[in-house]
Amino acid sequence: GQQLNQSPQSMFIQEGEDVSMNCTSSSIFNTWLWYKQDPGEGPVLLIALYKAGELTSNGRLTAQFGITRKDSFLNISASIPSDVGIYFCAGPANAGGTSYGKLTFGQGTILTVHP
Amino acid sequence: DTEVTQTPKHLVMGMTNKKSLKCEQHMGHRAMYWYKQKAKKPPELMFVYSYEKLSINESVPSRFSPECPNSSLLNLHLHALQPEDSALYLCASSQGVAQPQHFGDGTRLSIL
Repeated sequence: GQQLNQSPQSMFIQEGEDVSMNCTSSSIFNTWLWYKQDPGEGPVLLIALYKAGELTSNGRLTAQFGITRKDSFLNISASIPSDVGIYFCAGPANAGGTSYGKLTFGQGTILTVHP
Repeated sequence: DTEVTQTPKHLVMGMTNKKSLKCEQHMGHRAMYWYKQKAKKPPELMFVYSYEKLSINESVPSRFSPECPNSSLLNLHLHALQPEDSALYLCASSQGVAQPQHFGDGTRLSIL
């Protein structure tokens, strides 16, 4: 099946620093999604990417859909304490297979921000 | 606030109990999902419903029984669970399968 390799596994940064994380795959995805999960809550959709090369921003967050359709990155600028959480990349299985409707997740990046 | 509502937020049950988890969305989404999540791990898909019909069962043990009474509701019936079933159970919905999924805040389940 499709797999996503997400890195880094964890990051410890100072408030105000920029953050970058990425996901790669050996197979093509037609959509890339980035979620954030706070402790005790469900994942919240941050950014959805639909086209190769697409660069999308949501406030201090910027994500890009790689040109090969096999990778994506998420940047957070000027981090603040509330950015703490687990960030997951995800991609839906492509149409035409028995897994259609299944979302593949990366292993997550645990972000800690020191004030 | 999430637009996918899950109840209860917490549930403690014995291995012989029968209980149900509930999920509701009013976004007009036609696909709904159940996931199981262990601490600091990504969600693992259990079931997918599309237009109220079960379309994916990820080889989930029969002690978990999903039900979709209508397009807004999704239930997960639990019976004779094991301690290893303790986890956060997440419900999600999307406009259609392969569309971005929106998650509820989950039910934290503990099996004694």
